[in-house]
Amino acid sequence: DAGITQSPRHKVTETGTPVTLRCHQTENHRYMYWYRQDPGHGLRLIHYSYGVKDTDKGEVSDGYSVSRSKTEDFLLTLESATSSQTSVYFCAISDTATNEKLFFGSGTQLSVL
Amino acid sequence: RKEVEQDPGPFNVPEGATVAFNCTYSNSASQSFFWYRQDCRKEPKLLMSVYSSGNEDGRFTAQLNRASQYISLLIRDSKLSDSATYLCVVNYNDYKLSFGAGTTVTVRA
Repeated sequence: DAGITQSPRHKVTETGTPVTLRCHQTENHRYMYWYRQDPGHGLRLIHYSYGVKDTDKGEVSDGYSVSRSKTEDFLLTLESATSSQTSVYFCAISDTATNEKLFFGSGTQLSVL
Repeated sequence: RKEVEQDPGPFNVPEGATVAFNCTYSNSASQSFFWYRQDCRKEPKLLMSVYSSGNEDGRFTAQLNRASQYISLLIRDSKLSDSATYLCVVNYNDYKLSFGAGTTVTVRA
C-alpha cells in the first residue's frame, strides 16, 4: 500500500471553529488532492497541489484553504466550520498529472455540530 | 446534470453469478476512464483502467462505448469478497477526475 496517512481519523467540532486536517505521504509524489465524500455524491475535489507551494481550487473550494510547504505534507483548513462541511475527507496522491492512478488515504470523518 | 451517473443499486447476486452495470458520462471530451472499488468505510482503490478496445483483468471486464458515452463493468463468477461499491471515474482534464456516486454490489452465499 502507498505510504499516505491522514490525521486525525475522526474529529467532532463545533460550528464556527477552525479545523485543520493533515495528509502526509512518503512516496515523494508530486500531486496531492483533497476530496470530500457525501452520500449520493461522488467524491468531489476541494483543492489540489501540483508542487510545493503550488495549489489550485477544485469544484467545492468555498470555505476551505490548503497549504503545501513540503512535498510530503498537504494541509486542509476549514476556516470556520459549518454543519454542511460534515463529511468524510480523503487525501489522494499521484505521480502523474493525468491521474492514471490515485492512491487514497484512509479518510477523516469530520462532524460539525 | 451530473457529469458521471451510476445506478446506485444495490445489485444482490448469489456467489458464482455474473453481474454487470454501467456508468454514463456527459462530457464527450473525456479522455480516460477508470473503475475504483470502495469497501464499506474504507478508501477507494483503483480496480482497473478502461481502454477503448475493452480490457479484462481476471474475472473483471471493462468496456467503453464512446458513441453512447458509457462504460461498463462485468464481474464473472462473483465471490463474497467482491461485495463493495464500484466507483466510475472519468478524466476529461488534467488534475481533475469526475467520480460517480457508486454502484453497490452485494454477493450472498
